[in-house]
Amino acid sequence: NAGVTQTPKFQVLKTGQSMTLQCAQDMNHEYMSWYRQDPGMGLRLIHYSVGAGITDQGEVPNGYNVSRSTTEDFPLRLLSAAPSQTSVYFCASSQGSVLGPPLHFGNGTRLTVT
Amino acid sequence: AQSVTQLDSQVPVFEEAPVELRCNYSSSVSVYLFWYVQYPNQGLQLLLKYLSGSTLVKGINGFEAEFNKSQTSFHLRKPSVHISDTAEYFCAVSEVSNDYKLSFGAGTTVTVRA
Repeated sequence: NAGVTQTPKFQVLKTGQSMTLQCAQDMNHEYMSWYRQDPGMGLRLIHYSVGAGITDQGEVPNGYNVSRSTTEDFPLRLLSAAPSQTSVYFCASSQGSVLGPPLHFGNGTRLTVT
Repeated sequence: AQSVTQLDSQVPVFEEAPVELRCNYSSSVSVYLFWYVQYPNQGLQLLLKYLSGSTLVKGINGFEAEFNKSQTSFHLRKPSVHISDTAEYFCAVSEVSNDYKLSFGAGTTVTVRA
C-alpha cells in the first residue's frame, strides 16, 4: 500500500517554464489537496478536490491549475513558473471528512525556480 | 475564516524534560483542532485531533493536548521528550461545516538535546 505518492522529489525550473507536479493515491480517497510549505508560514492550501471532476481554489491558487479526471490522480500545473513559487509542495488525501481517517500526506516535492 | 497562531517558532528542550507547544486559534464558528508532526524530509503525520467530547485528547508517541474554548487554545504537551521527538510541529484548525479544509499554523521547531 503506497499511500500518497508525489513525483518528482526535486525540481529546478527557470522563470517562465511550465511543469506538472504529480500526485497519486491508492486508498480510494475522495478528497485530495495541494499545499505549499514556506519557512515561517506553515502550509497553505493551493487547490483541493472533493471528488473526480470537482476542484476548487484554496488560499493561494494564483499561478497554479489543477484537474481531477480520476479518483487516484490530482496533478498540479505551473503554467509559467516564477521565483515566488520556490517552495516545498505537499499533496494530501483523505476519506472526505476529518471525522474519518486522517489527512494522509505525500513526502513532498521541493521546487526551485531561478 | 479560521486562523491559527503558534506562539513559539522554536523550542529547545533537554531530553526527558517536559515540553509544551502553544497554539491559539480564531474562528466565528465551531471548529475541529489538530496537531501534526513533520520529521525531516517527510510529509506530515497526525499526532492527535479534537472533534468533540473530552477536552483532553491523547495522541501517539505520548503526546496530549487540551482544548480550551474560552481561551481559544489547543496546547500540545509531552511530559518527557526523547531525542526522536526532534521535529516540526503544526497546529491546524478546520470549521465543522467545511471539515476537510485545514488551516495550518506557521509551525514550531522542537530540538531535543541530550
